[in-house]
Amino acid sequence: AQSVTQPDIHITVSEGASLELRCNYSYGATPYLFWYVQSPGQGLQLLLKYFSGDTLVQGIKGFEAEFKRSQSSFNLRKPSVHWSDAAEYFCAVGSYSSASKIIFGSGTRLSIRP
Amino acid sequence: DADVTQTPRNRITKTGKRIMLECSQTKGHDRMYWYRQDPGLGLRLIYYSFDVKDINKGEISDGYSVSRQAQAKFSLSLESAIPNQTALYFCATSEVTETQETQYFGPGTRLLVL
Repeated sequence: AQSVTQPDIHITVSEGASLELRCNYSYGATPYLFWYVQSPGQGLQLLLKYFSGDTLVQGIKGFEAEFKRSQSSFNLRKPSVHWSDAAEYFCAVGSYSSASKIIFGSGTRLSIRP
Repeated sequence: DADVTQTPRNRITKTGKRIMLECSQTKGHDRMYWYRQDPGLGLRLIYYSFDVKDINKGEISDGYSVSRQAQAKFSLSLESAIPNQTALYFCATSEVTETQETQYFGPGTRLLVL
């Protein structure tokens, strides 16, 4: 069955520290992958996406993610977090087909310690 | 102006009432989606539409119906609302190419069923 797992429900990091949010997927076809961010009371904003090519993708707000096919992972990273990065982060996976659907993980809530 | 808009943004209703959530987009995308978000469950797909004449059930369509009035409009109805339909509802559109699909989300509608 197709699935996306975000193992960490809630993470707290200090401002200025590095961040890595984990995402693992199980998908029969060749996947494409996304990370979205949802700030409190807001909709989902696309941070970055991977479809093919370079497995390290750069996104907005200083985020990057690396696709590792052997580990079925697409972890999100940021070298130095800011207080404004406090939000909920969703990993999603899809595969282009005539019945395309994108599956979302359950989310990781990020808190920033001053 | 936002590319994907949802009305209302917040709604309180009573059990048994019929309610409609509306979504409009100015992105010119053919594909539109309705999701609901519940804490700890991420986003779950309710219905999706690949064009005006194409409507498909998602993983949790029971208790919901949709109408695709035009390319730009996709409405979600709860025929007889129940308390466990209390959730945050998101509309999304998709930009599709031969090799990629990327979703864009509206700001969400927060629904409370008493």
